[in-house]
Amino acid sequence: SSELTQDPAVSVALGQTVRITCQGDSLRSYYASWYQQKPGQAPVLVIYGKNNRPSGIPDRFSGSSSGNTASLTITGAQAEDEADYYCNSRDSSGNHKVFGGGTKLTVL
Amino acid sequence: EVQLVESGGGLVKPGGSLRLSCAASGFTFSSYSMNWVRQAPGKGLEWVSSISSSSSYIYYADSVKGRFTISRDNAKNSLYLQMNSLRAEDTAVYYCAREGGYFSHDYWGQGTLVTVSS
Repeated sequence: SSELTQDPAVSVALGQTVRITCQGDSLRSYYASWYQQKPGQAPVLVIYGKNNRPSGIPDRFSGSSSGNTASLTITGAQAEDEADYYCNSRDSSGNHKVFGGGTKLTVL
Repeated sequence: EVQLVESGGGLVKPGGSLRLSCAASGFTFSSYSMNWVRQAPGKGLEWVSSISSSSSYIYYADSVKGRFTISRDNAKNSLYLQMNSLRAEDTAVYYCAREGGYFSHDYWGQGTLVTVSS
């Protein structure tokens, strides 16, 4: 399968921890990367590889993977974390890329 | 500072053509694979195409294969997407993105809007 499946929407109370998941067969072979997108803005890479954060990304963002599921965890969610989050990986062929459908995170 | 600036978007009729450009600066363009990713209005991200640093490896999403052509000019630090036989469903913001570690997209442009409508 070349699909990545995400929950459409997740909510979290301010300061609490939230996990956003991404499921797909290709995740058994390839790492996922995660992107944050706010309205009217380009996506921003927040996690890549096993659990790597680009420069400037707060350490409250972390990534993990198990079997066919990759997860993005935000520990101590802030109001500014409210955004759409997308996972991305290679498909089973290894040559094409695929994005998950996105998860809208609401911080209450 | 890494910068990616897309241009060339606009309104085009179904069946028409358009060529997008992405001007890169702030890094050694010739050392990186590059990608096009699009986002239809109100929808999620869709990978469109990838090209390796020396153009040896090129891949397309099934939805655009045979209609779109990705290319690059390392001397001009530029990435291109030639789009032919455009359809209404190609309407989207088109982003160019640099390929980073573990095949991630580590830098993105601000996007250029392509609208296919009669």
